[in-house]
Amino acid sequence: AQSVSQHNHHVILSEAASLELGCNYSYGGTVNLFWYVQYPGQHLQLLLKYFSGDPLVKGIKGFEAEFIKSKFSFNLRKPSVQWSDTAEYFCAVKLLYNFNKFYFGSGTKLNVKP
Amino acid sequence: NAGVTQTPKFQVLKTGQSMTLQCAQDMNHNSMYWYRQDPGMGLRLIYYSASEGTTDKGEVPNGYNVSRLNKREFSLRLESAAPSQTSVYFCASSQGPRRDEQYFGPGTRLTVT
Repeated sequence: AQSVSQHNHHVILSEAASLELGCNYSYGGTVNLFWYVQYPGQHLQLLLKYFSGDPLVKGIKGFEAEFIKSKFSFNLRKPSVQWSDTAEYFCAVKLLYNFNKFYFGSGTKLNVKP
Repeated sequence: NAGVTQTPKFQVLKTGQSMTLQCAQDMNHNSMYWYRQDPGMGLRLIYYSASEGTTDKGEVPNGYNVSRLNKREFSLRLESAAPSQTSVYFCASSQGPRRDEQYFGPGTRLTVT
């Protein structure tokens, strides 16, 4: 079945540690890729997006993600996390042959200890 | 701009009751979506509307109906609520159809007892 997989369900880091959250998808063809963040009690906000071009994309708050087409992956990274990064992170895929459907991963909860 | 707004923020229903969740966007977006969010399951698409006048089923449409009232508004109706529909419901919109991202509302926390 087609899916978006986030293998890390819960990550605990200390401040200043580096972060990498995995995202893999199983759809063939051209895709748009997104990472969203949900801070406690809030709605989802866009962190970054990939449509085409440079596979390394930079987003807000120092986050970046790399699209590796051969691995069907779009991993999220941040060199040094802060306590304020504590949130849940969702990877999402949009299929360009199905313009209006977005598929979300199950989310990764990040807990940053001060 | 308010972006995407949802009402109500919280709701408690008894099994069998009905209710409508309201969603509106002021970004002149063409596409609108309803998701439910359950712990460990991410967001699952209930229904979406690619453009005014059209609606389509998503992954989990059973027990729900939708109405795209106009370009701004997209409502979700639970005709006979069940405990399995206890969830947080998010509305989203996007410009569509290509190279766009979704903008989310603040969510409605629904509990069915």
